[in-house]
Amino acid sequence: QQQVKQSPQSLIVQKGGISIINCAYENTAFDYFPWYQQFPGKGPALLIAIRPDVSEKKEGRFTISFNKSAKQFSLHIMDSQPGDSATYFCAASIVIYNQGGKLIFGQGTELSVKP
Amino acid sequence: GAGVSQTPSNKVTEKGKYVELRCDPISGHTALYWYRQSLGQGPEFLIYFQGTGAADDSGLPNDRFFAVRPEGSVSTLKIQRTERGDSAVYLCASSGGSGEQFFGPGTRLTVL
Repeated sequence: QQQVKQSPQSLIVQKGGISIINCAYENTAFDYFPWYQQFPGKGPALLIAIRPDVSEKKEGRFTISFNKSAKQFSLHIMDSQPGDSATYFCAASIVIYNQGGKLIFGQGTELSVKP
Repeated sequence: GAGVSQTPSNKVTEKGKYVELRCDPISGHTALYWYRQSLGQGPEFLIYFQGTGAADDSGLPNDRFFAVRPEGSVSTLKIQRTERGDSAVYLCASSGGSGEQFFGPGTRLTVL
């Protein structure tokens, strides 16, 4: 019940295209869903996050879509660029005292954007 | 500093040795987390501190792993009697009032 399942494992997109990565969870107590971007040899960097009281959140070219009833959420990268090539992780947690609790991560998606 | 820092960036040790990994969180962040990331996997939670106390240590794999945060700022992850299976990148993250977790660059531990 603590798992977060992420797909696809790898994704190749042409420059200018839309990259879509999906995640599913089981624990309905989760109330915070961030996406992280990780480049080789670096730590994960927070991209965008959503709480379950909204169905969509957009920041620049990045959009999270959230479906509470299906227990699924996805990351859309619009106008994908070669610089977006990285590994993306979804995660989920239960927020504790506004500090956040432990993050449960998906398995990761390796995105390659071809010029 | 502006972000989470971790030292050393790389640590090579021999099986059976003791290692310490250090994390400096973002100034003012009261929550601190340790995760472990194996090659090709997502980070796995180890332990979470709120101030000086360990609020959740359910992710520590066994009693060879221990972490401290004596003054509520810097934290040290300690691994005794290291095994080859401990080889991984150890990540630290800190969090302020927003709930967002910000990660450091990690320490790559290699046990020979």
